[in-house]
Amino acid sequence: GESVGLHLPTLSVQEGDNSIINCAYSNSASDYFIWYKQESGKGPQFIIDIRSNMDKRQGQRVTVLLNKTVKHLSLQIAATQPGDSAVYFCAETSTGGGNKLTFGTGTQLKVEL
Amino acid sequence: GAVVSQHPSRVICKSGTSVKIECRSLDFQATTMFWYRQFPKQSLMLMATSNEGSKATYEQGVEKDKFLINHASLTLSTLTVTSAHPEDSSFYICSAVDRGVSDGYTFGSGTRLTVV
Repeated sequence: GESVGLHLPTLSVQEGDNSIINCAYSNSASDYFIWYKQESGKGPQFIIDIRSNMDKRQGQRVTVLLNKTVKHLSLQIAATQPGDSAVYFCAETSTGGGNKLTFGTGTQLKVEL
Repeated sequence: GAVVSQHPSRVICKSGTSVKIECRSLDFQATTMFWYRQFPKQSLMLMATSNEGSKATYEQGVEKDKFLINHASLTLSTLTVTSAHPEDSSFYICSAVDRGVSDGYTFGSGTRLTVV
């Protein structure tokens, strides 16, 4: 079936460096994408979202890029901090909210001091 | 902001018993709630979609008679794991749809179920 997947299961970065987490999706009908951060033993925390009519969206220290041609999106974290250490998931749905989300496999981000 | 309260956060039960997990939207009405299961170092897998006042829609491979979902009000959905077995041990997470927040999905803090 359709799925959302990630390229890298673990990403280690030095504190202060920029992090890039990638996600590939296969459902061409997907038009709404969300990045979540999950700390151990907790539920997912919303980071940033993007709709299919955009290719870039920026938040505080985070940027999401969407390439619909190759069905790929990425999360960029600027000046990575120890508190950014967590598992990051991309999720997609085929309409703008209200419908079920399909989660990617996740990337463990480790920030080294 | 929107808050979803999930209880209990941790539960240990004996094999063969049933466990109920509650998911409450505290400051908004949720016509739709979702239940996920997450095994260690894995992603969230959708189990079912719960709509207030109607039967839940289960994902393929999820036993509806084992995972009973009730969404009797706009602020409460419950998941009951019946006749639990050790392989049901997992992290269960609910999500409620609130169209008033940016992405519309608010997640609970999860329930760690251990069946012994």
